[in-house]
Amino acid sequence: KNEVEQSPQNLTAQEGEFITINCSYSVGISALHWLQQHPGGGIVSLFMLSSGKKKHGRLIATINIQEKHSSLHITASHPRDSAVYICAAKETSGSRLTFGEGTQLTVNP
Amino acid sequence: GAGVSQTPSNKVTEKGKYVELRCDPISGHTALYWYRQSLGQGPEFLIYFQGTGAADDSGLPNDRFFAVRPEGSVSTLKIQRTERGDSAVYLCASSLTGGGSSPLHFGNGTRLTVT
Repeated sequence: KNEVEQSPQNLTAQEGEFITINCSYSVGISALHWLQQHPGGGIVSLFMLSSGKKKHGRLIATINIQEKHSSLHITASHPRDSAVYICAAKETSGSRLTFGEGTQLTVNP
Repeated sequence: GAGVSQTPSNKVTEKGKYVELRCDPISGHTALYWYRQSLGQGPEFLIYFQGTGAADDSGLPNDRFFAVRPEGSVSTLKIQRTERGDSAVYLCASSLTGGGSSPLHFGNGTRLTVT
């Protein structure tokens, strides 16, 4: 069992739909990262959070430390949002990040 | 440049050869990470530098893999006696401070193919 699990693995949506991607982790963490990876491999950091909620444009990330769960929401989705979304947990002890396997999002026009 | 730069972007080598992959982090970033990503999977941690020293090298798969960061900026990942299983995208990331608690900035990766 991976220490960081994401669901769903694949998600297809129509333009304009509200999207939720989930991340659960089994270790104690001090921070959780949400990353976006476009075809060709470039990874962009979207959020880093340790509690509560953050918002940037149409993207919202939430985390519940007690439940060891985080969600990434995309409002009014657009085809350019199509990418792989990865969550990564920074464990309380040590410096490494443990990555989920990613969620492939496809938004159709 | 403003971002993390990795060279080469692609590297094809024969089994058994030695390769070096270079990462040029954002200026001033003290933390540097190497990850490896196989097709369809999330990145896998290899090694983390804080300054010049390897603070955590527990992700290196075996002693064929070695990384250095002699002056606390550019880092080189070295792979000896390459094997076909080493084929992957090798990603480098840097952050202003260490410990995984500040935003990461990724390079575009080096795609290594071992034939």
